[in-house]
Amino acid sequence: SQTIHQWPATLVQPVGSPLSLECTVEGTSNPNLYWYRQAAGRGLQLLFYSVGIGQISSEVPQNLSASRPQDRQFILSSKKLLLSDSGFYLCAWTQGLGLTYEQYFGPGTRLTVT
Amino acid sequence: AQSVSQHNHHVILSEAASLELGCNYSYGGTVNLFWYVQYPGQHLQLLLKYFSGDPLVKGIKGFEAEFIKSKFSFNLRKPSVQWSDTAEYFCAVTHTGGGNKLTFGTGTQLKVEL
Repeated sequence: SQTIHQWPATLVQPVGSPLSLECTVEGTSNPNLYWYRQAAGRGLQLLFYSVGIGQISSEVPQNLSASRPQDRQFILSSKKLLLSDSGFYLCAWTQGLGLTYEQYFGPGTRLTVT
Repeated sequence: AQSVSQHNHHVILSEAASLELGCNYSYGGTVNLFWYVQYPGQHLQLLLKYFSGDPLVKGIKGFEAEFIKSKFSFNLRKPSVQWSDTAEYFCAVTHTGGGNKLTFGTGTQLKVEL
């Protein structure tokens, strides 16, 4: 069966520090991968999605970037964190881009920027 | 751009009470609708979905939702809630031509009291 992992589970970082959040999927190949963020009082917002290695689409201009160095690995990064980067980050995968494909979510990372 | 509104941010119910959580979306074309749930300490998971056909869809754990196209709504219902239904509930939408990118509402925190 497929599983999705995210780490770390929680993170407290000072403003201006770098960030690296990792997401890996097991039990499938060539998944489509997504990064979402939930800021306080707001819904889940799609940040990035990837249909393959090295292919990243950005949905929202921001202080973050994403990379997909391997088929089942998706990384969210920042060179210098801002206070507004605080939030709950979720990684998700789906098997295809068709609308009938359900998205499966990881456990999330709670990021607090101080 | 499409958006999703969930008007109930916090709901507190007693066990056996009936539940209805509102969800409205803004998009004039063909949409696909989802309700996701996140139980405390668990991953976000799919509760039910609507793609086409019967506008009344049934999901897991006795939940159902009705798609009313004229009202742009997809309200979630359960006739009798249980303490174990305590969770956060998210309505989400994808639309034809939008790939498989979900637009989420802000979520509703449901607390069921014994």
